[in-house]
Amino acid sequence: RKEVEQDPGPFNVPEGATVAFNCTYSNSASQSFFWYRQDCRKEPKLLMSVYSSGNEDGRFTAQLNRASQYISLLIRDSKLSDSATYLCVVNPYGGGYQKVTFGTGTKLQVIP
Amino acid sequence: ETGVTQTPRHLVMGMTNKKSLKCEQHLGHNAMYWYKQSAKKPLELMFVYSLEERVENNSVPSRFSPECPNSSHLFLHLHTLQPEDSALYLCASSEDQGRNTEAFFGQGTRLTVV
Repeated sequence: RKEVEQDPGPFNVPEGATVAFNCTYSNSASQSFFWYRQDCRKEPKLLMSVYSSGNEDGRFTAQLNRASQYISLLIRDSKLSDSATYLCVVNPYGGGYQKVTFGTGTKLQVIP
Repeated sequence: ETGVTQTPRHLVMGMTNKKSLKCEQHLGHNAMYWYKQSAKKPLELMFVYSLEERVENNSVPSRFSPECPNSSHLFLHLHTLQPEDSALYLCASSEDQGRNTEAFFGQGTRLTVV
């Protein structure tokens, strides 16, 4: 089983739609979770951290389910500018150091 | 200054050349990473350095040789590369011990091997 797994998509959604992505992780000792966004031919950038209680930032909501070992990202009222690849990032701890581990990414295309 | 800086931004090299990629971080982080991202493929972790010590090498061919002289600098030395090594090479850094270890990326070096 991969350390971090995501549905690669692409997810093609119309403007204004709500879309959700899930990401599963294999290491139950993982401590930190993030969603990154990567635009075409650019470097990944942090979108939001994922907290145990769930957190919201405008149209974006992130949730963590430790029992089932997955995190989710919900985007409401999709905009054209939301088109990008969304990377799930998990931070397991082992071997005396923490390692940021990326999922393969889910591609989102918002259509006019 | 941006947090993580990579140079050069673009590099074209022949298969017999030797070149180096440079990464510098100004964030006081202890961990640094090299990633490879080929066209339409996900990020592939190549190397991890923690406190200047290489802690992970993900079966990377020996034609890629990393160097971490101090916690702020990371190099990737390249020699006798193959055309399939053409990709975007991304450097990242993160705190080593913090619970919320966010990774910060450089803008990458787009490498073309001819």
